[in-house]
Amino acid sequence: QLQLHESGPGRVKPSETLSLTCSLSGGSISDNNYYWDWIRQSPGKGLEWIGTIYYSGNTYYNPYLTSRVTISVDTSKNQFSLSLNFVTAADTALYFCSRHPLTSVGLYYSGMDVWGQGTTVTVSS
Amino acid sequence: QSVLTQPPSVSGAPGQTVTISCTGTSSNIGAGYGINWYQQLPGRAPKLLIYGYINRPSGVPDRFSGSKSGSSASLAITGLQAEDEADYFCQSYDSSLSGWVFGGGTNLTVL
Repeated sequence: QLQLHESGPGRVKPSETLSLTCSLSGGSISDNNYYWDWIRQSPGKGLEWIGTIYYSGNTYYNPYLTSRVTISVDTSKNQFSLSLNFVTAADTALYFCSRHPLTSVGLYYSGMDVWGQGTTVTVSS
Repeated sequence: QSVLTQPPSVSGAPGQTVTISCTGTSSNIGAGYGINWYQQLPGRAPKLLIYGYINRPSGVPDRFSGSKSGSSASLAITGLQAEDEADYFCQSYDSSLSGWVFGGGTNLTVL
């Protein structure tokens, strides 16, 4: 059974870069039936999609974050990563990685079916 | 402000049925993109309840059901149980934003 695990620094200083990694166990990131997402949840607020990546490296980003976000994949390590630069207090959140099945009609009719437990990132000096 | 609009809270007594609405626009729900629903228990990651409007992943009880009408969608929970107390989020794809959007979430209280 697939499990996802987020890891990275719990605290980042303003204007610096937030870097997180999502490691897979019990499954392969190269499985061509899935895409992989980053999603965050600010304290007491809702969920925000950050971006999505395929094992080939194709990426899709939230247009409000695209100038600051990079998502990459490392198939040899069976993991994918998030980089968010020039962070501010507004980037303080619980960050999740998830799996997104690819259906015969694309990604539009499937949901994120496996989630990591999340990792909290606080932006503070 | 979220692209998809949900009521902040709903409540119901054990055994009753509650419905949570999710209102979108012609660029997301109204455009025919799938609706997904998630349950988030306190301190836990979201769990997929419904995908593509009406489909339940394996292991999700049939007490949970989804529907759609025009630019809105609904999640119905029948036979309410104490363990259903959680936050519920809807999600869809938005063509004007070229990305996935969520509702602001609805907190369900079981009285």
